[in-house]
Amino acid sequence: GAVVSQHPSWVICKSGTSVKIECRSLDFQATTMFWYRQFPKQSLMLMATSNEGSKATYEQGVEKDKFLINHASLTLSTLTVTSAHPEDSSFYICSVLTGTTYNEQFFGPGTRLTVL
Amino acid sequence: GNSVTQMEGPVTLSEEAFLTINCTYTATGYPSLFWYVQYPGEGLQLLLKATKADDKGSNKGFEATYRKETTSFHLEKGSVQVSDSAVYFCALTEYGNKLVFGAGTILRVKS
Repeated sequence: GAVVSQHPSWVICKSGTSVKIECRSLDFQATTMFWYRQFPKQSLMLMATSNEGSKATYEQGVEKDKFLINHASLTLSTLTVTSAHPEDSSFYICSVLTGTTYNEQFFGPGTRLTVL
Repeated sequence: GNSVTQMEGPVTLSEEAFLTINCTYTATGYPSLFWYVQYPGEGLQLLLKATKADDKGSNKGFEATYRKETTSFHLEKGSVQVSDSAVYFCALTEYGNKLVFGAGTILRVKS
């Protein structure tokens, strides 16, 4: 399967600042990546679908101006949390769609964001 | 819309006990079904999958069978270990490649 990395693995920032999270597909060229958010002890919530070379598709209720997604290349997607607030504190996980017969997704290790 | 329902946890077992985590789904077509495992502080790892009715997915001693008649995909393991302690997510994907996750079930295995 695809190997996916995320950077940073954890970040603490002050309220009002912006934070960029990178998702890299290390051994697979991914035209589609997904960004999820996970609250403590809860399931994953799909935030958006990131498509290489085009605009991301956001799920209902996700603010596109707050969570900026850029899929700059076939191996890199970034999520920028703009003007972060404490309620944005969460675990953010990306995944890569491999496009195999079973449309498997392989997940990154996640980024823990804490906004003070 | 599509949905996945998992049994609530936490599930607490002694080492070498038999494990069952129930999962049922609602889908309009013929989804692919997955079990993912999440260890503390980590992302999700694909545990096993099944893509059509009566398929059995298996990995690391875990098994799950795609039951179309009961719309279920229960996860089982004959003898759990302490290292199996984690959160287990049942999920499906249908059109558009989007994964729909269940709420997750915490498994705690005591030595």
